[in-house]
Amino acid sequence: AQKVTQAQTEISVVEKEDVTLDCVYETRDTTYYLFWYKQPPSGELVFLIRRNSFDEQNEISGRYSWNFQKSTSSFNFTITASQVVDSAVYFCALSEWADKYSNDYKLSFGAGTTVTVRA
Amino acid sequence: DSGVTQTPKHLITATGQRVTLRCSPRSGDLSVYWYQQSLDQGLQFLIQYYNGEERAKGNILERFSAQQFPDLHSELNLSSLELGDSALYFCASSALGGPGDTQYFGPGTRLTVL
Repeated sequence: AQKVTQAQTEISVVEKEDVTLDCVYETRDTTYYLFWYKQPPSGELVFLIRRNSFDEQNEISGRYSWNFQKSTSSFNFTITASQVVDSAVYFCALSEWADKYSNDYKLSFGAGTTVTVRA
Repeated sequence: DSGVTQTPKHLITATGQRVTLRCSPRSGDLSVYWYQQSLDQGLQFLIQYYNGEERAKGNILERFSAQQFPDLHSELNLSSLELGDSALYFCASSALGGPGDTQYFGPGTRLTVL
């Protein structure tokens, strides 16, 4: 079963528009961590944010903001006043214990949402 | 720049061959992870090492192996290569290897198998 679902495959916007990326996750753990990464056309994966399951405060960092809602198992990401440089694939990821009897854990990525910002 | 380095950046080889990908973690990080990114499978976790020892295994094929050396750099060995192994291989590192750690990714090695 898919642990992290990013239902939007592609989003295209015009510069200065806001864009919201949806992320829905599935876990039985009470302690888990959520991440967002950005993969620009150059290919590297850039860390954007980490959130633990006990911290439901929304966060804003410049033009980026994140809305974490445990009740709906969602961790959505909004880019305000988008710019061409925001064009990238954005990944949501869930880190949880893979096996409660060991120290193994697993970081599961969603399929990614490709954001294209047109000038 | 994440501080994680990977070499080579690109690798082109033929089916049946063996290649080695190298990764140096961020200074101070003890844990190294390997991921494969392909168009059909997305980002898949392969294997994790912590301070020289294997910590967790993901969807890693038997033809693939890895190790982490005393200086904490890691190598991923891919053998008997098939066309389907063509992908972008990422190395990531984190401080302690726990689930709350942020993994910082290297620039990746793009492997093309012809």
